[in-house]
Amino acid sequence: EIVMTQSPATLSVSPGERATLSCRASQSVSSNLAWYQHKPGQAPRLLIYGASTRATGIAARFSGSGSGTEFTLTISSLQSEDFAVYYCQQYNNWLPNTFGPGTKVDIK
Amino acid sequence: EVHLAESGGGLVQPGGSLRLSCAASGFTFSSYWMSWVRQAPGKGPEWVANIKHDGSDKYYADSVKGRFTISRDNAKNSLYLQMNSLRAEDTALYYCARDSLSMVGQFDYWGQGTLVTVSS
Repeated sequence: EIVMTQSPATLSVSPGERATLSCRASQSVSSNLAWYQHKPGQAPRLLIYGASTRATGIAARFSGSGSGTEFTLTISSLQSEDFAVYYCQQYNNWLPNTFGPGTKVDIK
Repeated sequence: EVHLAESGGGLVQPGGSLRLSCAASGFTFSSYWMSWVRQAPGKGPEWVANIKHDGSDKYYADSVKGRFTISRDNAKNSLYLQMNSLRAEDTALYYCARDSLSMVGQFDYWGQGTLVTVSS
């Protein structure tokens, strides 16, 4: 099973600032990496797939990069609606596909 | 608009059973693989099981293999998860998720979840 780790666990950011979230895989997952946003009481939302492709309807301030074992999600200018928990997930080995423990982005 | 709505969660004693349902709408359900994903309190999501669009293939996480059964009824646009021999560690919010057409294991839509609590 591929183990996903994320850092930091919590990121405190002021609105308008840039946020950089990291995700690491225990072995290469090529570019088969997704990022999800999750707010309390809501369905998780797919933000990025294929490591760098924004999902339908996702704002351009969200961008993903990386391949192999190191990945980054960048939110260029945080808006109030962006405060949430973000999870990375590998689906290169989809049995099982695995998620990271999450990074909580909160208001500084 | 794609919509997934889970139901059937609740409080159950260890060793008990529960059946979760997921009603799908807004897309051609019979064309997609579907999955169940769960999230225990304070932890990241964990994939539980998935099923091929026609129900012919099913896969399970090791943690639930032999206890949980995934199924679907394409005529009713519904996904199910039969959970038997429940344990305290099965306590979680259970989500129904649609696998992307282009890549199984990549989830492009999720429901809001139904809570399963296993406790005496």
